[in-house]
Amino acid sequence: SQQGEEDPQALSIQEGENATMNCSYKTSINNLQWYRQNSGRGLVHLILIRSNEREKHSGRLRVTLDTSKKSSSLLITASRAADTASYFCATDVTQGGSEKLVFGKGTKLTVNP
Amino acid sequence: DTAVSQTPKYLVTQMGNDKSIKCEQNLGHDTMYWYKQDSKKFLKIMFSYNNKELIINETVPNRFSPKSPDKAHLNLHINSLELGDSAVYFCASSPAGPITTMNTEAFFGQGTRLTVV
Repeated sequence: SQQGEEDPQALSIQEGENATMNCSYKTSINNLQWYRQNSGRGLVHLILIRSNEREKHSGRLRVTLDTSKKSSSLLITASRAADTASYFCATDVTQGGSEKLVFGKGTKLTVNP
Repeated sequence: DTAVSQTPKYLVTQMGNDKSIKCEQNLGHDTMYWYKQDSKKFLKIMFSYNNKELIINETVPNRFSPKSPDKAHLNLHINSLELGDSAVYFCASSPAGPITTMNTEAFFGQGTRLTVV
C-alpha cells in the first residue's frame, strides 16, 4: 500500500506568497525526503530530514517532521514562478532487511507571476 | 556530465514487442533502482540492485527483467509489451546499502517515456 500521501494534490499561489505542502505516512521511517519534479524531467532531491530531527532549513525551504503524527510539511517561502513543479515526499524505509524510498503522489504547485 | 543517464528518452513501440531501457550512473553508488511513474504521476519502485545483486522486486510481472552487468549499470528489459506498460520509467542510484541506513538522497535519471500502441 502507498506510504506517503501529500496534500493538497494541487496548489496555485501568487509569486511572493508562501507555499505549504503536507505529507503523511504510515510506517516507521529512517528519514523523509522531499523531491521536486519539473514537467517532463526527472526528480531532484531538495532536502532530507532524519527521523530524530524535527525541523530543517535549506535556503527558502523549511521542512518539519512529526514522527508521532507520521507527518511532514514542506514550506517554500517567497515563492517564484520558477518554483512551479510537482513536489514529492519520499519515506526511506527498511522492509525485509532492504532499504528503499517510497514516494507519495505529489503536490502540483503553480506559482503565478 | 550526467550523473544518472538513461536511454532512450522516448520509446514508442507496438504491443507484443520486446524492448530495453539502459541506465548508467557515474557516481560510484552501490545501489540502483527502477521506478515507474504512471499517468497520475504516482512513482512506484520496481526493482533495487545492490552491487549487481537483486535486493527488491516489488511484485513486478515476469515480463520485466532487470539486468546489472556491473554496479554502474542497471538495464530494464521488457518482454511482450502491453498497453498498460505505458509510463515513464526512472532509473535512480544512491550510496545506500541493503542493510545500512545511509540517510542519503537518491539521484534520478531524466526518465524514459514508454508508449505502447
